[in-house]
Amino acid sequence: KQEVTQIPAALSVPEGENLVLNCSFTDSAIYNLQWFRQDPGKGLTSLLLIQSSQREQTSGRLNASLDKSSGRSTLYIAASQPGDSATYLCAVRPASQGGSEKLVFGKGTKLTVNP
Amino acid sequence: EAGVAQSPRYKIIEKRQSVAFWCNPISGHATLYWYQQILGQGPKLLIQFQNNGVVDDSQLPKDRFSAERLKGVDSTLKIQPAKLEDSAVYLCASSFGGNIQYFGAGTRLSVL
Repeated sequence: KQEVTQIPAALSVPEGENLVLNCSFTDSAIYNLQWFRQDPGKGLTSLLLIQSSQREQTSGRLNASLDKSSGRSTLYIAASQPGDSATYLCAVRPASQGGSEKLVFGKGTKLTVNP
Repeated sequence: EAGVAQSPRYKIIEKRQSVAFWCNPISGHATLYWYQQILGQGPKLLIQFQNNGVVDDSQLPKDRFSAERLKGVDSTLKIQPAKLEDSAVYLCASSFGGNIQYFGAGTRLSVL
């Protein structure tokens, strides 16, 4: 059974810092991995999607890496801003699920960027 | 492009009552998902539809939960009867091509 763990559960940093969020998963047989952002009272917004054959993806100040063999992914946020404050969720789509596109989520990292 | 629409945004009911949630996916998205997110947890898939057919409902508590997607567009998720542990945010998502899932704002259910 695939399990996803995110460390730390919460993180508070001053504005301008670079930071790394960690995600680990127990089964390396994945189709892809996604990082989402969730703001209070709102749904999830997809930030980056990494296919199983890829090592990293970049979008603006965000960079996500994937090491499938070790079951790890990191989300790097450069020059953090107060607007980055949110909960960040990591999700994997297990391979070999038949037609199911089920995502298995971690519990998230709550990020607070202080002005 | 309009996003995934869900209603109501909030619902408070007493245990043993019934409740229904509605979802309208992004136009043209054949795949629709319902997730349950309990406070402090990541979302858990309840059911996945491809058009109006069920692809995965392995984690749906079928003794009390039901879902339908008539005509392959809108979907409703029903709980009858509700239990205290059903208190959660119910998220609907849709996708085209099976990669990125686009989520609605969710319905927050409180069961008293």
